[in-house]
Amino acid sequence: GAVVSQHPSRVICKSGTSVKIECRSLDFQATTMFWYRQFPKKSLMLMATSNEGSKATYEQGVEKDKFLINHASLTLSTLTVTSAHPEDSSFYICSARGTGSPDTQYFGPGTRLTVL
Amino acid sequence: EDKVVQSPLSLVVHEGDTVTLNCSYEVTNFRSLLWYKQEKKAPTFLFMLTSSGIEKKSGRLSSILDKKELFSILNITATQTGDSAIYLCAVATNAGKSTFGDGTTLTVKP
Repeated sequence: GAVVSQHPSRVICKSGTSVKIECRSLDFQATTMFWYRQFPKKSLMLMATSNEGSKATYEQGVEKDKFLINHASLTLSTLTVTSAHPEDSSFYICSARGTGSPDTQYFGPGTRLTVL
Repeated sequence: EDKVVQSPLSLVVHEGDTVTLNCSYEVTNFRSLLWYKQEKKAPTFLFMLTSSGIEKKSGRLSSILDKKELFSILNITATQTGDSAIYLCAVATNAGKSTFGDGTTLTVKP
């Protein structure tokens, strides 16, 4: 149980384009989803927290107009990187939290974004 | 500001050794402390600790929390090469916020 999928696993795009990453909880309802960014050999950097049906809460320093988050249902959240630049290249990981164990986060496999 | 500090940052041992990873924290309204293992992709859940002094155990891994001294340790006995990973500690608060430490990179050599 508690499986989270993320799609795509890897994406390469040109500078200036937008990229959408999907995060799905497959076998539970995720009341809260989190989006992280991870740099090589570094820990997870929380970008935003989203609760189903409401606007995401962004961490300080994260541009909400650049990283659009939508959490339209209890099983799906999307992160759209708009007008991507090479410095947006990174590993993006989502996690989901259900009602059963409110502190445990179940992570998706991550998306490697490369912006050329 | 909530803070989670893990030590050591990296560790190299040989198969069969026992290792202890540390996590100390300073947060407002502590609720739980969680340990995760991250191999090549995303982290996987290991333990959640909420009460002091109660050891959680899973095979060769065990963990304990000290809420008075504000730290937790993760022990791995009889290490194997498959234990090589980044081990992340996270602390959750009553406000529902989680803060992650920088992780400990463990390398187990054959």
